[in-house]
Amino acid sequence: DAKTTQPPSMDCAEGRAANLPCNHSTISGNEYVYWYRQIHSQGPQYIIHGLKNNETNEMASLIITEDRKSSTLILPHATLRDTAVYYCIGLPAGTYKYIFGTGTRLKVLA
Amino acid sequence: EAGVAQSPRYKIIEKRQSVAFWCNPISGHATLYWYQQILGQGPKLLIQFQNNGVVDDSQLPKDRFSAERLKGVDSTLKIQPAKLEDSAVYLCASSPRGLSTGELFFGEGSRLTVL
Repeated sequence: DAKTTQPPSMDCAEGRAANLPCNHSTISGNEYVYWYRQIHSQGPQYIIHGLKNNETNEMASLIITEDRKSSTLILPHATLRDTAVYYCIGLPAGTYKYIFGTGTRLKVLA
Repeated sequence: EAGVAQSPRYKIIEKRQSVAFWCNPISGHATLYWYQQILGQGPKLLIQFQNNGVVDDSQLPKDRFSAERLKGVDSTLKIQPAKLEDSAVYLCASSPRGLSTGELFFGEGSRLTVL
């Protein structure tokens, strides 16, 4: 399983885009990149995932570099409710063993 | 659609006592997970079930922790005897195995304090 590296914390102004980086230089060809977030006192919540191509859904966009060694989660218009810990996880295809790291603590500032 | 249900939400016990947590996954979800989350850390996988069989329990401290998933639905996680370092939030998650996303759905967790 790919080891992922994320900055421990980030700040973002409300209404601006939040760009959360993740380094996964050891990722293998069949490993997906998953993003979850955990708002205080709640269980983690799925955000988005991808393999090679960039992905977008109603919550966020995921940009994966061509060499797949890193990715960026983009929250296009951050709100105070986006304040949470964001986890980047590498998951081999066909497996369901999610290993969480320590994540990035995002604080959205008014 | 009902989410993952967990109980109790909070439990305070003294060390060496026992405690049990219950989880009811989303209906039809074949895969069930128990995670331990210590304050300030990410969730740590304890055990993973596929239906009523154990897929992975390599991180479960088997001398004091046990878990079962009877009939492939509800699950219980037991700690006996508890230690101070077991103070944590115990999260249950389920997943509809077979779908491409493999998305995990988490419950709100059970917060354990061991005194």
